[in-house]
Amino acid sequence: DIVLTQSPDSLALSLGERATINCKSSQSLLYSSNDRNYLAWYQQKAGQPPKLLIYWASTRYSGVPDRFSGSGSGTEFTLTISSLQAEDVAVYYCQQYYSSITFGQGTRLEIK
Amino acid sequence: QVQLVQSGAEVKKPGASVKVSCKASGYTSTSYYIHWVRQAPGQGLEWMGMVNPSDSSTSYSQSFQGRVTMTRDTSTSTTVSVYLELSSLTSEDTAVYYCARGGDRSSFHYWGQGTLVTVSS
Repeated sequence: DIVLTQSPDSLALSLGERATINCKSSQSLLYSSNDRNYLAWYQQKAGQPPKLLIYWASTRYSGVPDRFSGSGSGTEFTLTISSLQAEDVAVYYCQQYYSSITFGQGTRLEIK
Repeated sequence: QVQLVQSGAEVKKPGASVKVSCKASGYTSTSYYIHWVRQAPGQGLEWMGMVNPSDSSTSYSQSFQGRVTMTRDTSTSTTVSVYLELSSLTSEDTAVYYCARGGDRSSFHYWGQGTLVTVSS
């Protein structure tokens, strides 16, 4: 199975600061035939189901604010929130769908 | 609009089975797979498996092989009910169970609201 390791496990930042969450895969998620990385990012707020933010590693889902962006390729990926807002407090998960489905362990984002 | 509506909370005793439903609507029901993901209290997300509503084929996580069954009823062309049955329950199966719409090798664009299953003697 592909293992996804997120870092850090938790993060506390001030409003307006930049948040960076990393996701490292045990195998490459880049499919050479279509040059796509099979990685997504989700946001989960307390008591709610996860919401899709980013897919194909860098494509923002419909309705997601443009302060959220995804980058990376192969085995190293990053979710960036350019300017932290109060409503961004949540747990963030990366997910690979290259081979079966696995999720990272999650990163808890809080306001300092 | 696309909706995934799950059945209500369940309380089961150890050793019992539970069956959770997910009614998906608002799109061509055979065009997307339905996946099941669970989340134990305070823990992360764990993929359980998926069912293809077009032909009822399934793929299960090795972690649940032999204990999980996913089935579907196609009510109309735009509505499908999918079921997750988990047997031989233990306290470690206490979790919120989510259904989600995806494909074969795709992200999950829509999620159900979740169903809490509590296993307790």
